[in-house]
Amino acid sequence: AQSVTQLGSHVSVSEGALVLLRCNYSSSVPPYLFWYVQYPNQGLQLLLKYTTGATLVKGINGFEAEFKKSETSFHLTKPSAHMSDAAEYFCAVSEANFGNEKLTFGTGTRLTIIP
Amino acid sequence: NAGVTQTPKFQVLKTGQSMTLQCAQDMNHEYMSWYRQDPGMGLRLIHYSVGAGITDQGEVPNGYNVSRSTTEDFPLRLLSAAPSQTSVYFCASGGRSPQHFGDGTRLSIL
Repeated sequence: AQSVTQLGSHVSVSEGALVLLRCNYSSSVPPYLFWYVQYPNQGLQLLLKYTTGATLVKGINGFEAEFKKSETSFHLTKPSAHMSDAAEYFCAVSEANFGNEKLTFGTGTRLTIIP
Repeated sequence: NAGVTQTPKFQVLKTGQSMTLQCAQDMNHEYMSWYRQDPGMGLRLIHYSVGAGITDQGEVPNGYNVSRSTTEDFPLRLLSAAPSQTSVYFCASGGRSPQHFGDGTRLSIL
């Protein structure tokens, strides 16, 4: 069975500061890893995904994440936070056998940007 | 715009009532799924389908039924609503591409 742990249910950063949202996963087989963002009263939007190949993945809105197999981590970063980044972020994993299907989500991290 | 459409957006039910949450996608995706989102618990998979006529249970299937008669539609049925089913429900579709999510249905059971 696979699982996802997101450290920190709430993270606050100042505008212009580094954003770091942590995600650790467990999976018995090579994983596909995803970050989704949810704005208030909306569905989830894909930020980025890792499948195979390059371990540093770039996504939309200036976000990127690095897959570290030895640490079973897939942390999300952005060099400079913007007010529009305030949202809830979800890390998700699926076993490679299932590709983009059967996602297991973490419990989410709410990001607050301080002006 | 192409995407996943969920109806209704809001619904209030009484305990024991039944209802169907509708989900339609126009991207010709084979895979569709239903999740529920509860505070502090993230999204949990209820049921999913890998194509018309094929459905399977996810992590929390009890109290919910699904069917997939067409590629486009994947309704979720609550046969006898319970207060524990108060939640926000999301439908998603994907397959070869990562899953696209609808805007959700906010359901309250009194």
